[in-house]
Amino acid sequence: GENVEQHPSTLSVQEGDSAVIKCTYSDSASNYFPWYKQELGKRPQLIIDIRSNVGEKKDQRIAVTLNKTAKHFSLHITETQPEDSAVYFCAASEPWRNKLVFGAGTILRVKS
Amino acid sequence: GAGVSQSPSNKVTEKGKDVELRCDPISGHTALYWYRQSLGQGLEFLIYFQGNSAPDKSGLPSDRFSAERTGGSVSTLTIQRTQQEDSAVYLCASSLDRGAEKLFFGSGTQLSVL
Repeated sequence: GENVEQHPSTLSVQEGDSAVIKCTYSDSASNYFPWYKQELGKRPQLIIDIRSNVGEKKDQRIAVTLNKTAKHFSLHITETQPEDSAVYFCAASEPWRNKLVFGAGTILRVKS
Repeated sequence: GAGVSQSPSNKVTEKGKDVELRCDPISGHTALYWYRQSLGQGLEFLIYFQGNSAPDKSGLPSDRFSAERTGGSVSTLTIQRTQQEDSAVYLCASSLDRGAEKLFFGSGTQLSVL
């Protein structure tokens, strides 16, 4: 089955700097890669997702890139703000298995 | 309601007791998932329901865990003879269709087994 590894486990950045979180997946058949943000004590919420037929997707200050050959994808947050502080989870989904396999999460702290 | 609703929000139980956790998905969502989140860990898949199809139970950690979904809507996750290692946040999520896309999560049930 699919296995997703995520790093770093914690990341501290200064407000205004960029943050990058990276994930690798094991199953080359996986074709859907979402990112979820979980603020302290809150539920995980989808912030951006990408399919395997696209190399990059942007939504304001966040972007996701996908390298299918290397089987890794990354979340990029530019101009970080204190409200970006949260745990971020990447995930991968195989086309015939209707479930997401999540990474272990990255705690992002944005220092003001 | 507008979102996925879970109850109770917190449950404290004694080792060996049975517990039931409830999930009410978004109306019209055919797919329903249960995940478990242990302290400082990622989200561990437990079980998946899609419409009237047989559920995918491949993530259930032992036969003490079971789940059902009645009428294609509300789901109940049951843990029998709870153990301390069952302590975690149990999250339910629903989505409009198959494919695990755009999951909407509930706020979870914090289960503490003493």
